[in-house]
Amino acid sequence: DQQVKQNSPSLSVQEGRISILNCDYTNSMFDYFLWYKKYPAEGPTFLISISSIKDKNEDGRFTVFLNKSAKHLSLHIVPSQPGDSAVYFCAASPKTGANNLFFGTGTRLTVIP
Amino acid sequence: NAGVTQTPKFRVLKTGQSMTLLCAQDMNHEYMYWYRQDPGMGLRLIHYSVGEGTTAKGEVPDGYNVSRLKKQNFLLGLESAAPSQTSVYFCATSIRVRGTSYNEQFFGPGTRLTVL
Repeated sequence: DQQVKQNSPSLSVQEGRISILNCDYTNSMFDYFLWYKKYPAEGPTFLISISSIKDKNEDGRFTVFLNKSAKHLSLHIVPSQPGDSAVYFCAASPKTGANNLFFGTGTRLTVIP
Repeated sequence: NAGVTQTPKFRVLKTGQSMTLLCAQDMNHEYMYWYRQDPGMGLRLIHYSVGEGTTAKGEVPDGYNVSRLKKQNFLLGLESAAPSQTSVYFCATSIRVRGTSYNEQFFGPGTRLTVL
């Protein structure tokens, strides 16, 4: 049973435009949410996170929005750059435990020059 | 600093063979994790460890064993490999969780395992 879902397997965006990646979750015990970026043949690298007490977190070109009532979060990248082309994973962690993460299935972003 | 390293990078096994994957970290992190990534499934937690000498089961522990004899190493063992264990395996580490804080995990480059 997938507790974190990314319903769009792929997304293509023109360079300079906004990329919006979406993520939904089902477990109300999730307290912290993260986005990871993954290039081929490499491990995932941390991109940005948000606590459940916030609804927005911004870091440079990357902004994550959280809608707790809808159990939905999104990652906005603006402006998109060709180097942003990668697979993006949404992940969530419950309040208790050892930082355990539950991952979505990923969205492959392609930024077209 | 090497960060998180994984050995080997690639391996092909025959059904029934055994092997051990090694994860090593030089970041002095307390927590370590083993994940597997399958097409269309995202990453799923196999086992994890919150400190030397302690391990616990994750989402998909069956068919795997782990050991954490030293803080910097976390070993993942397959006693009798099956084709269903063909996957990419990632190790990750994080610092200790304190109170209500959270700390992100740092991932190794992965081990691609094929079981024939």
